[in-house]
Amino acid sequence: SQQGEEDPQALSIQEGENATMNCSYKTSINNLQWYRQNSGRGLVHLILIRSNEREKHSGRLRVTLDTSKKSSSLLITASRAADTASYFCATDVSGGYQKVTFGTGTKLQVIP
Amino acid sequence: DTEVTQTPKHLVMGMTNKKSLKCEQHMGHRAMYWYKQKAKKPPELMFVYSYEKLSINESVPSRFSPECPNSSLLNLHLHALQPEDSALYLCASSLLDTNGDQPQHFGDGTRLSIL
Repeated sequence: SQQGEEDPQALSIQEGENATMNCSYKTSINNLQWYRQNSGRGLVHLILIRSNEREKHSGRLRVTLDTSKKSSSLLITASRAADTASYFCATDVSGGYQKVTFGTGTKLQVIP
Repeated sequence: DTEVTQTPKHLVMGMTNKKSLKCEQHMGHRAMYWYKQKAKKPPELMFVYSYEKLSINESVPSRFSPECPNSSLLNLHLHALQPEDSALYLCASSLLDTNGDQPQHFGDGTRLSIL
């Protein structure tokens, strides 16, 4: 079964708007990661947040983590058409055994 | 361009064929992974190699046989596949970290179609 459920499943916004996607997970984690996948391509790592961190920034990305609610959010500010992709959260529950489980994903469309 | 190279990009094979998928990285990563991704679904972990040894097999059918001949190469040997095995097969690599805090680097995958 999926460790992470993402919401919304699909999101369509205008260029320049902010995009927020959420991830909920089931078990305790060591860290949570966000990946992007363009159509027909591999996944690209965006950002990692450790279980003892609450918020992290990288460029136009802001990630929050609430371990009490077992949830995380990814905010993309000032979106661009090039941000159109699927976004997956991924959790590592294995404590160094490299087993990462991906969430169901959010498909983001940014309209120019 | 990705730093993990997968070949071939596309593969069509019959159910009785034997073929292999290849993955190569030169980043010095000692963990390598195979994932299977069906359309509109997230990647599902199949195998993990750590220091060229198989460390995780997610109960994958024996018609999929992984091999890690050295620290840069990862193969997935295919035999007697079923139509439901048609999918995008992704390879990834990462540094090894006891805290599991290393991101994975993905190739662009091999799109496999079973006739």
